Amino acid sequence: SSELTQDPAVSVALGQTVRITCQGDSLRDFSASWYQQKPGQAPVLVIYGKNIRPSGIPDRFSGSSSGNTASLSITGAQAEDEADYYCNSRDSSGHVIFGGGTKLTVL
Amino acid sequence: QVQLVESGGGVVQPGRSLRLSCAASGFSFGGYAMHWVRQAPGRGLEWVAVISYDGSKREYADSVGGRFTISRDNSKNTMFLQMSSLRPDDTALYYCVRDRVAGSTFDPWGQGTQVTVS
Repeated sequence: SSELTQDPAVSVALGQTVRITCQGDSLRDFSASWYQQKPGQAPVLVIYGKNIRPSGIPDRFSGSSSGNTASLSITGAQAEDEADYYCNSRDSSGHVIFGGGTKLTVL
Repeated sequence: QVQLVESGGGVVQPGRSLRLSCAASGFSFGGYAMHWVRQAPGRGLEWVAVISYDGSKREYADSVGGRFTISRDNSKNTMFLQMSSLRPDDTALYYCVRDRVAGSTFDPWGQGTQVTVS
């Protein structure tokens, strides 16, 4: 399969931990990157490679991967983390593919 | 700082053409592959095309192959997307992104330019 599957919506209580997942066969061969998109804004890279955070991304964001599933975890979710989150990777032809996105609500 | 600024969007009739530009600054543009990614209203992200650092290699999503052409001018730190035979389902916000590493790590993103086919 050349698709990446994400849960459409996830919620988390303020200060708790949440995991957002991304499933796809291509993740067995290619690592996932994760992006945060707030309303009206361009996406921002938050995690890539083997759990690498770009400069400026809080350390409450972390990534992991096992088999065909990549995960983005937020430990101690804050109100400002409420956003859409997208994973991406590559398919067998080398083209880039995106997951459908997960809307995170912080309660 | 690293910056990408898109331009060239607008409202266009079906079947017509449009050319998008992406002006890069703050980094060695000629050392990075670059991509176009689009987002239809209320929808998710869709990869459109990639061009290698020197322009020698180009790949396209199946949805735009044969209609869109990606190019770049490293002397002017600019990337382009020539879009032809536009369709209503090409309506989207088009983002210019730098390929940070490994072919699918995008950082940063421009603010996007809106293309409406109607």
